[in-house]
Amino acid sequence: ILNVEQSPQSLHVQEGDSTNFTCSFPSSNFYALHWYRWETAKSPEALFVMTLNGDEKKKGRISATLNTKEGYSYLYIKGSQPEDSATYLCASDGGATNKLIFGTGTLLAVQP
Amino acid sequence: DAGVIQSPRHEVTEMGQEVTLRCKPISGHDYLFWYRQTMMRGLELLIYFNNNVPIDDSGMPEDRFSAKMPNASFSTLKIQPSEPRDSAVYFCASSPYIGEQYFGPGTRLTVT
Repeated sequence: ILNVEQSPQSLHVQEGDSTNFTCSFPSSNFYALHWYRWETAKSPEALFVMTLNGDEKKKGRISATLNTKEGYSYLYIKGSQPEDSATYLCASDGGATNKLIFGTGTLLAVQP
Repeated sequence: DAGVIQSPRHEVTEMGQEVTLRCKPISGHDYLFWYRQTMMRGLELLIYFNNNVPIDDSGMPEDRFSAKMPNASFSTLKIQPSEPRDSAVYFCASSPYIGEQYFGPGTRLTVT
């Protein structure tokens, strides 16, 4: 994988559903994997930065896992709420350069 | 801290005109980034600075784009001459170290 890829592109769920999406990134020269939350008409906000294989991070109902050997990360949202509606971006830093390569994001819409 | 400040928030200009976008990073942050967001290409890094020095400008589309950081609290991104395909949202972000980045509100540029 040469680029950062995210799937699915978009997701529509009902309030209360749990959901997850995937980020795939180049596993060679890996340094860190970032997740950002981007609400419409606002700017991206950092959720997590993960560096170690097997890392798991949690913030409220949102959690993320990291597999650096196979080059993927999962973001989970438990019991989705309408306020979780946003685009979730992941980005890879391939060499401790602070230069992030962003995926195109997963657009999550949570319907009440 | 007020966060990353960008100005103007919206800019509408005619093709051929010079456009200057401004950014004030969060005080104490050593890294400053300029990104461009378009529907086609998502969020792309244009250039970033570390301690006011440009580190990587490989994302700058062409010679019409230039960026400067004369001091730790100010950076500009200039497009001269502007073209309709430059229309996008331009984000500035800053970071205190190699890690999560803090984004400004963005400048929406429209070139007619």
